[in-house]
Amino acid sequence: LAKTTQPISMDSYEGQEVNITCSHNNIATNDYITWYQQFPSQGPRFIIQGYKTKVTNEVASLFIPADRKSSTLSLPRVSLSDTAVYYCLVGEGSSGGYQKVTFGTGTKLQVIP
Amino acid sequence: DVKVTQSSRYLVKRTGEKVFLECVQDMDHENMFWYRQDPGLGLRLIYFSYDVKMKEKGDIPEGYSVSREKKERFSLILESASTNQTSMYLCASIRGVGQPQHFGDGTRLSIL
Repeated sequence: LAKTTQPISMDSYEGQEVNITCSHNNIATNDYITWYQQFPSQGPRFIIQGYKTKVTNEVASLFIPADRKSSTLSLPRVSLSDTAVYYCLVGEGSSGGYQKVTFGTGTKLQVIP
Repeated sequence: DVKVTQSSRYLVKRTGEKVFLECVQDMDHENMFWYRQDPGLGLRLIYFSYDVKMKEKGDIPEGYSVSREKKERFSLILESASTNQTSMYLCASIRGVGQPQHFGDGTRLSIL
């Protein structure tokens, strides 16, 4: 089961781009990389998922180098409402039945006015 | 949009009680999960189910059991509640392998 390592916390000013990096050295061939966002008193919410190179949607970009041992979530021009905990997961891509995934402790992003 | 509904947002029970936490999803998802979330420990998987009447232990199943009699409903059972089971409990579902998880808003359970 691939383990992930993320910074415990980050601060950023409003309007800046924020990059959160996650290490996953023992990622398996079938594993996807998925990021979730969690606000207080709510369940995690899916942000973005990728397998390799770059993925972009309306809220974020995900950069994955060729060796896939790390990934970077990029949030453009953050606002106060982006203050949340961000989780990086690997897994969920097994072709043979369900593969357990492990949530780490996440990165607490604090956006400052 | 997928909706995962947990029956209670807040629940207070006493030590030794049998506690039921209910979760319902409305999108015909195959897989459902129960997690608990504690400060500094992130989310930890208790049990998951990949089909009706099928279940698998997660990382911390001790003291818990589950029931999945219908596809849309996944119940977590604390057989004899203890104070160390005070936590936030989160239910999630996915359609299948490779799909992202959809979470409910959680049940904050206090055992006195």
